[in-house]
Amino acid sequence: QLVLTQSPSASASLGASVKLTCTLSSGHSSYAIAWHQQQPEKGPRYLMKLNSDGSHSKGDGIPDRFSGSSSGAERYLTISSLQSEDEADYYCQTWGTGRVFGGGTKLTVL
Amino acid sequence: EVQLVESGGGLVQPGGSLRLSCAASGFTFSSYEMNWVRQAPGKGLEWVSYISSSGSTIYYADSVKGRFTISRDNAKNSLYLQMNSLRAEDTAVYYCARQWLVDYWGQGTLVTVSS
Repeated sequence: QLVLTQSPSASASLGASVKLTCTLSSGHSSYAIAWHQQQPEKGPRYLMKLNSDGSHSKGDGIPDRFSGSSSGAERYLTISSLQSEDEADYYCQTWGTGRVFGGGTKLTVL
Repeated sequence: EVQLVESGGGLVQPGGSLRLSCAASGFTFSSYEMNWVRQAPGKGLEWVSYISSSGSTIYYADSVKGRFTISRDNAKNSLYLQMNSLRAEDTAVYYCARQWLVDYWGQGTLVTVSS
């Protein structure tokens, strides 16, 4: 069964970097994912598509501070030079029906 | 510029029906698969339904199967979600989203199911 697992929360200081993780369930380690950002009281925003080989393509206007990488069944979103507006919920999503969204990671910028 | 604009949300009693619409612009609508995704208050994102570019392939989440119907009109650049037999647990913001791996989102429309 396809499941995407994310840590519920993460925190990092203003100006620092943070790496968020999305883990694909067994048997799905080759799947591409998408990362989405949802700022408080706003709708989701597409950040990037991330392939199993680590290649990624970002959405319109997404800053270079956002990057993606992969290792096995894990997909990462790295945000560098953290800004206050990066405080948001981050969701990973993959192909298929059913539970194709991870539970989300709430990022707090200290 | 890609735009997805949902409409049709509102307050409805349990057991009632509602039809959501999504008006697409800024891209060749007929070339893209589309999805509905929802978010209950304070909760995460939940995929609801998928429709292929031609409308020939459709999928539903188990939670809405048999009650919701997705459709599209490529001539009108529009996506729809007919929701019947609504339940309190269907209360959510409903988003129209382009492509299976979503690359554009609408702003959402709120559906509240309550007596």
